[in-house]
Amino acid sequence: DAKTTQPNSMESNEEEPVHLPCNHSTISGTDYIHWYRQLPSQGPEYVIHGLTSNVNNRMASLAIAEDRKSSTLILHRATLRDAAVYYCILKGTDKLIFGTGTRLQVFP
Amino acid sequence: EAQVTQNPRYLITVTGKKLTVTCSQNMNHEYMSWYRQDPGLGLRQIYYSMNVEVTDKGDVPEGYKVSRKEKRNFPLILESPSPNQTSLYFCASSLQGARANVLTFGAGSRLTVL
Repeated sequence: DAKTTQPNSMESNEEEPVHLPCNHSTISGTDYIHWYRQLPSQGPEYVIHGLTSNVNNRMASLAIAEDRKSSTLILHRATLRDAAVYYCILKGTDKLIFGTGTRLQVFP
Repeated sequence: EAQVTQNPRYLITVTGKKLTVTCSQNMNHEYMSWYRQDPGLGLRQIYYSMNVEVTDKGDVPEGYKVSRKEKRNFPLILESPSPNQTSLYFCASSLQGARANVLTFGAGSRLTVL
């Protein structure tokens, strides 16, 4: 199964944009790229997903490289409530593999 | 409200005493799965089910059993728990196991095996 690689942690100030990178060099042509986040003491929650084209929703944007070997989750204006662990996963089979994610700290 | 409900949320037990963690969803989802979360290891899939009576192993199935007799329920069974099964467990469901479908997670069940 395909693997993803993310930085262990990132920091941001409130109101600033945040770009969370994910490398997935072994992605197959039919794998979808999903992002979930886990707030403290909660289960993971869906953020965004895409296949090839960039995607936008009310929470975030997903920028997918042309070769699909990397992607970036963009939070346009970070808030304190965005402090969480962000997981990038490839959903290509019935199995799912989560990496260890990126812990985002947001400072006032 | 659409949700995945896990019970119990917290449990302390002793080695060898069989236990079941229940998972129920009210969204008529076909696909359900169980994960465990350990510090430094992220989320790892234990078992998943594509539909009623269809289950398969994830990455860390040893020591666990599951059943899917009804669409809404997917219990996780620890026949003889051991201390290395102390962990935070999450159940999740989605419409189908397809690549584009989004998972809904439960709030988690923290299990301690002494």
